[in-house]
Amino acid sequence: GQQVMQIPQYQHVQEGEDFTTYCNSSTTLSNIQWYKQRPGGHPVFLIQLVKSGEVKKQKRLTFQFGEAKKNSSLHITATQTTDVGTYFCAARRFSGGYNKLIFGAGTRLAVHP
Amino acid sequence: EAGVTQSPTHLIKTRGQQATLRCSPISGHTSVYWYQQALGLGLQFLLWYDEGEERNRGNFPPRFSGRQFPNYSSELNVNALELEDSALYLCASSFQGADYGYTFGSGTRLTVV
Repeated sequence: GQQVMQIPQYQHVQEGEDFTTYCNSSTTLSNIQWYKQRPGGHPVFLIQLVKSGEVKKQKRLTFQFGEAKKNSSLHITATQTTDVGTYFCAARRFSGGYNKLIFGAGTRLAVHP
Repeated sequence: EAGVTQSPTHLIKTRGQQATLRCSPISGHTSVYWYQQALGLGLQFLLWYDEGEERNRGNFPPRFSGRQFPNYSSELNVNALELEDSALYLCASSFQGADYGYTFGSGTRLTVV
């Protein structure tokens, strides 16, 4: 079945440094979503990317969808301690029928002040 | 507007027993999804219900089952509990369709002893 590979598994940065997590699929994706889960919390929807090559920004967060719609990235500029958590990408099958999301394993971000 | 609510927050069961977890979606959402998140791990898709019917299930044994009621709330049942069933069980809801993000509840922490 479709798998979504997410790297790195874990990232440890100093506050103020940048952070990037990558999501890759062997199949073309119809869209991709990103979620953030704070420690002890539940996943919270951040954004959805649909178009090939799409770039969206949310303050210090930049989300990209690859031209081939097989990969995506989330980049955080100048991390803050509030960015701590696990970031998940999630993708749907390209062909219709399903409405379930396949989640990547997540990237756990630790930010040290 | 109330979010996705799950009950109970915590549940402790003995191996071999049955557990019932409940979820109320956001008003207007017809789709309910169940995910299992073992400690420190990613989200594994369990079940998807929409309009009262099971639309899809993940790679879990039949002792994981559930249903969706006419008011779109949902119940997850786990029979013959095993120690490895200990996890956070997350319920999410959305409008039906491929263009919507999921709203997650805070989860039920199930501990099997």
